Amino acid sequence: DTGVSQDPRHKITKRGQNVTFRCDPISEHNRLYWYRQTLGQGPEFLTYFQNEAQLEKSRLLSNRFSAERPKGSFSTLEIQRTEQGDSAMYLCASSTTGGAGQETQYFGPGTRLLVL
Amino acid sequence: AQSVSQHNHHVILSEAASLELGCNYSYGGTVNLFWYVQYPGQHLQLLLKYFSGDPLVKGIKGFEAEFIKSKFSFNLRKPSVQWSDTAEYFCAVNARNDYKLSFGAGTTVTVRA
Repeated sequence: DTGVSQDPRHKITKRGQNVTFRCDPISEHNRLYWYRQTLGQGPEFLTYFQNEAQLEKSRLLSNRFSAERPKGSFSTLEIQRTEQGDSAMYLCASSTTGGAGQETQYFGPGTRLLVL
Repeated sequence: AQSVSQHNHHVILSEAASLELGCNYSYGGTVNLFWYVQYPGQHLQLLLKYFSGDPLVKGIKGFEAEFIKSKFSFNLRKPSVQWSDTAEYFCAVNARNDYKLSFGAGTTVTVRA
């Protein structure tokens, strides 16, 4: 399977705990994106990387959220001191640089987080 | 920032009926347009996309969409739906060279056998 993979698929945690999610993009895709999806809504952009550089993080929901892509391959999204409002599906997508700003993002299965 | 609106939250159809889902966006510049589909228990999959050229684009599984620039619309159509088309459909837009996608809230389509 050469699609985007995410781990874990489900995570249940208690309020105040830290959680970390991993995303493995499609091989050789240099761009990687994180989105969040809550019930009844479409995905909401959080941050993205081109290779190992995080080019936009202004949409990260608070300073409790951070993301890394240290070697330009897989990425991690960490949420510190989780709150019940963090419960959502966290989606990862990847793409390869397209000509003239034309590129397609391919999504992984997501990590569903439930904060109790 | 662009916003995307999808007109219908839930559509219920019988097999062989025609389907049209509306999508409008707000952004005055050049955009890339996408429809993604999420089948029950599966992840988001690309249905079709528009970058430039012919405003009528064809995607997988008999779907097509028409870009009407003057109306800021990118409506999805299928002439005859099947039970297997039951899914949630998302319209997404990004400004050219701004890679973050903005999604609509999605339309749940239920096809009755």
